[in-house]
Amino acid sequence: DAGVIQSPRHEVTEMGQEVTLRCKPISGHDYLFWYRQTMMRGLELLIYFNNNVPIDDSGMPEDRFSAKMPNASFSTLKIQPSEPRDSAVYFCASSFGVGYTFGSGTRLTVV
Amino acid sequence: GNSVTQMEGPVTLSEEAFLTINCTYTATGYPSLFWYVQYPGEGLQLLLKATKADDKGSNKGFEATYRKETTSFHLEKGSVQVSDSAVYFCALLLRDSNYQLIWGAGTKLIIKP
Repeated sequence: DAGVIQSPRHEVTEMGQEVTLRCKPISGHDYLFWYRQTMMRGLELLIYFNNNVPIDDSGMPEDRFSAKMPNASFSTLKIQPSEPRDSAVYFCASSFGVGYTFGSGTRLTVV
Repeated sequence: GNSVTQMEGPVTLSEEAFLTINCTYTATGYPSLFWYVQYPGEGLQLLLKATKADDKGSNKGFEATYRKETTSFHLEKGSVQVSDSAVYFCALLLRDSNYQLIWGAGTKLIIKP
C-alpha cells in the first residue's frame, strides 16, 4: 500500500493566485481529513469527509477555502485567492475506524 | 469540553536517558487514546494507542498506560536515541464522534548524542 499520497510536496505561489492541493487516500478508508499545521496555531482540522460527503467544515478559515471529494480515491483543497497568511503545511489523512494515516503534507508558501 | 493537555517542550535529553512526556485529558465518556509522532519534514504517524482503562500501548520501545483515575496517558521510553528526536502528539477519540481526533499541542523532543 502506497499510503496517503499528497501532491505537490511543495508549492510556492504569488498572493492572489489560486492553489489546489490534492490527496489520494488509502483504498477502503471511509474518512478523509484535511489539516493545516503552522508554528503559531499548531494542527488545525479544516474539514472532513465520510464516504465522500463533507461532514464538518467549521474549521475552514474563510470562503476562500473550499474542499471537494468527487470520489473515494481523490480529494482537493482549493484556496482562491491565496494570501501570505495561508502559508503552512497542509496534511491530508484518511482512516477506517480509529487509525489515521497521514500523507507527507504539502508545504505551501504564498509570497 | 473535551481536550488534551501535553507538557510544553522542547524536551531535551541525552542519548540513553529515560523519557516521560506527560499527557492528560478531559473527556465525556470513555475515549480511546493515542500517541502520534512527527519526524522532521514528514506527516504524523501513529506510535501507539489504548482503547480502554488500564490498557498499555507499546511500540518501538515506547509505552503508555491508559489511567482513567488520573485521566492520563503519559509516554515513556527507557533509553532514548538520537533518532527519537521528533514532535510527539497525544490525542483522544470519543465514540460517536465521527472518528474525529482531539489533539494536544505537541511536544518537541530533542535527543543529544
